[in-house]
Amino acid sequence: GQQLNQSPQSMFIQEGEDVSMNCTSSSIFNTWLWYKQDPGEGPVLLIALYKAGELTSNGRLTAQFGITRKDSFLNISASIPSDVGIYFCAGNTNAGKSTFGDGTTLTVKP
Amino acid sequence: GAVVSQHPSRVICKSGTSVKIECRSLDFQATTMFWYRQFPKQSLMLMATSNEGSKATYEQGVEKDKFLINHASLTLSTLTVTSAHPEDSSFYICSAQYPGQVDEKLFFGSGTQLSVL
Repeated sequence: GQQLNQSPQSMFIQEGEDVSMNCTSSSIFNTWLWYKQDPGEGPVLLIALYKAGELTSNGRLTAQFGITRKDSFLNISASIPSDVGIYFCAGNTNAGKSTFGDGTTLTVKP
Repeated sequence: GAVVSQHPSRVICKSGTSVKIECRSLDFQATTMFWYRQFPKQSLMLMATSNEGSKATYEQGVEKDKFLINHASLTLSTLTVTSAHPEDSSFYICSAQYPGQVDEKLFFGSGTQLSVL
């Protein structure tokens, strides 16, 4: 089946620093999605990307849909303690099923 | 955004009993819902696709007689873990597809932590 390689697996940063994480795949996706999951909760959608090359921002978050449609990155600027959590990328095909990356665990030190 | 409600949030049961988990779309109709299983510090593993008015589609390796899915209405899907055993202990999450777009976004419930003693 389709697999997404998400990196890094974990990050430990200082408050105020910028963060970058990415996902790559050997398969083409029609949609890339980025989610954040807090402990004991379900994932919450952060950004959805629908077109190759698309660059979308949501507050301090910026994500891009790669030109080849096989990759995406998420940047978080000026991190704050509440950014702590697990970030998942997900790719959708026309069938609507999402394939999830393994997640990036973010720790922000005050 | 759309709201998906999942209940219960936490359940502890004895081995051999059955547990039902509900997933409701509160402000939209969802013809398709998905059920996932998540182990600590791991990604979401899709278990099955729940289709309103028809049988669920299970992923390879998921026992359909073990994990019963019923999607009887456009706003409710249920997952029943039958004859639960300790190895079934996990975090179960549902999601619902918001209709009307080619690549529908997924909205997730808050998850159910199942502990089987």
